Amino acid sequence: QKEVEQNSGPLSVPEGAIASLNCTYSDRGSQSFFWYRQYSGKSPELIMSIYSNGDKEDGRFTAQLNKASQYVSLLIRDSQPSDSATYLCAVGRMDSSYKLIFGSGTRLLVRP
Amino acid sequence: GAVVSQHPSWVICKSGTSVKIECRSLDFQATTMFWYRQFPKQSLMLMATSNEGSKATYEQGVEKDKFLINHASLTLSTLTVTSAHPEDSSFYICSAQTGLGQPQHFGDGTRLSIL
Repeated sequence: QKEVEQNSGPLSVPEGAIASLNCTYSDRGSQSFFWYRQYSGKSPELIMSIYSNGDKEDGRFTAQLNKASQYVSLLIRDSQPSDSATYLCAVGRMDSSYKLIFGSGTRLLVRP
Repeated sequence: GAVVSQHPSWVICKSGTSVKIECRSLDFQATTMFWYRQFPKQSLMLMATSNEGSKATYEQGVEKDKFLINHASLTLSTLTVTSAHPEDSSFYICSAQTGLGQPQHFGDGTRLSIL
């Protein structure tokens, strides 16, 4: 079992729809959770951080965290073609290693 | 805020050459910096973790004598690919972090092509 799992996709949604991206993790001691966006040929860009159970909203993005079920999700409202990218989920601890464990990413395709 | 600068962005050189890549945190002090490699259509692969003033910690399978990492200050880390060969051609990306549990902020990456 991978430490951080994501569906590789592609997830295809029409423009204006809500895109829902999911991530599960295996380490129950994980305490910090991040979503990164990576365009083809570019480096990852941080879009959301979440540390507590529940929802966190930032513009069109909402991150959701459920530690009991060990999953974190990202919702993108009013999806735009410019949102087409690979979305990486990353998980970390705050008591030991500095490393973040990255999922392999979900490719999102927003159709005009 | 949280800007990480990485240079050069693109390198083409002959086999056997050593190549140095710089990673700087411009507006914050980074307790820890990371070096990743990414092949086309593949996941990020962590190569090593470095803390200022101490030796880097390399991931399993990464040759520390080939990929030399220096973290001289809280804002600068360098990766030197020694005696590079075509199989070292890849996209190298650095990131910087301010502390435990904090996000990593990535540089723009360096595309390395060895002929």
